Amino acid sequence: KQEVTQIPAALSVPEGENLVLNCSFTDSAIYNLQWFRQDPGKGLTSLLLIQSSQREQTSGRLNASLDKSSGRSTLYIAASQPGDSATYLCAVRGGSYIPTFGRGTSLIVHP
Amino acid sequence: GAVVSQHPSWVICKSGTSVKIECRSLDFQATTMFWYRQFPKKSLMLMATSNEGSKATYEQGVEKDKFLINHASLTLSTLTVTSAHPEDSSFYICSATSIQLKGMNTEAFFGQGTRLTVV
Repeated sequence: KQEVTQIPAALSVPEGENLVLNCSFTDSAIYNLQWFRQDPGKGLTSLLLIQSSQREQTSGRLNASLDKSSGRSTLYIAASQPGDSATYLCAVRGGSYIPTFGRGTSLIVHP
Repeated sequence: GAVVSQHPSWVICKSGTSVKIECRSLDFQATTMFWYRQFPKKSLMLMATSNEGSKATYEQGVEKDKFLINHASLTLSTLTVTSAHPEDSSFYICSATSIQLKGMNTEAFFGQGTRLTVV
């Protein structure tokens, strides 16, 4: 059974810092990995999708990498802003097509 | 990307009543839909997987008679919480996917979630 772990569970940083959020998974036979953002009491906003054949994806200040063989992905946030404060979730999709989520990283960026 | 609409976004109901949550794929045919539940400060826990025209497959520990899932068409799945109790209060979110979406066949699309409060 796929297990997804996210480290750290919580992070509080001053504005402007570059951040790295980590996601690891136990079964490397995946189709893709997706990073989401969730604001309090809200649904999921898809940030980046990395297919199993890709090494990284970029969108604005966000960069996600994937090392499928080692079961790891990182989400890099450049020049963090208070508006980036949210919970970041990664989800892995394997042969069952069922997305399996990590517990998330709760990020607070203070001015 | 494809759009999944979930309704209602929030609902408050009395204990003992039933609540129906709808999940619609607006611009693609969803062959498979997933229903998740999220407890406060916890991750999303898969409740069940439903394929169009088939009975839903429930995860261990999820009461199928309490959480009724119907996926009668390729664009609509419903989750009915029957005889709701305060412990059923939670955030419910659906996800839809389709193996027929060319170039997108491995991406899952999520609704915006439903906050259920049972009083």
